[in-house]
Amino acid sequence: DIQMTQSPSSLSASVGDRVTISCRASQSIYNSLNWYQQKPGEAPKLLIFIASSLQSGVPPRFSGSGSGTDFTLTISSLQPEDLATYYCQQNYNTPRTFGQGTKLEIK
Amino acid sequence: EVQLVESGGGFVQPGGSLRLSCAASGLIFSSSWMTWVRQAPGKGLEWVANIKEDGSEKYYVDSVKGRFTISRDNAENSLYLQMNSLRVEDTAVYYCATGGGRFEIWGQGTMVIVSS
Repeated sequence: DIQMTQSPSSLSASVGDRVTISCRASQSIYNSLNWYQQKPGEAPKLLIFIASSLQSGVPPRFSGSGSGTDFTLTISSLQPEDLATYYCQQNYNTPRTFGQGTKLEIK
Repeated sequence: EVQLVESGGGFVQPGGSLRLSCAASGLIFSSSWMTWVRQAPGKGLEWVANIKEDGSEKYYVDSVKGRFTISRDNAENSLYLQMNSLRVEDTAVYYCATGGGRFEIWGQGTMVIVSS
C-alpha cells in the first residue's frame, strides 16, 4: 500500500498569512493526488484534484503543486473560514490512501 | 443539486451486522463509481471500498475484506455496505461519496458504534 505522510500535523497561522501543507507519498504517484478540506462537524470537501486542478467553486486562494512523491497545498491568504483539517489522498492505485491530516488553526 | 444521504448506522455488539444505505439524487447514478470512506472518532479518513458503475468491479481495504460487501442498485439510485462480523475498531462515521478515485460529492455520514 502507498503511505501518505503530511507535514506538519498541525499549524497555527494568522489571517492573511500564506500557508503551505506538504504531502509525501511512499512511491511515485505521478500527479494522482487530491486534497480535501474538512471543517469541524462536516463531511470532507474536495479542493484540488490531479495535484493542481482547482475543484469548481473552490476559492482561488487555494492551489496545489507537485508530482512524483512530493506535493504541496498552498493557501495564499488565510481566511477565518479556512479553519479545518486538510487531507491529501492518492488515487494512483488501490487501496486509496489518505494522509493523516493537517489541522489548521487561526491565531 | 447532487445529494447523498446515508442511513442505517447505529449501535451493535461485536460480531453483529449492519447494512448501510446511501440514497443518491441529482446525478446520473448509474454512470458513477461510488465509494465508502470512514472516520473513527477523532481520527483521519480511511477508504473502505468502492464499486464500478455497473457493479462489476469491487475493491476493499484489507481490514474489511471478507466481512464487508459493497453493492448498488442503479434502478433505486442507491449504494449499500453490508457489514458483518463487526469489530470494535469498525466504530466510525461512514461516508458515501461519488467517484472511484477522487471523491467529489460526500454525504453527511452515518455513525456506527460497535461496543459490548
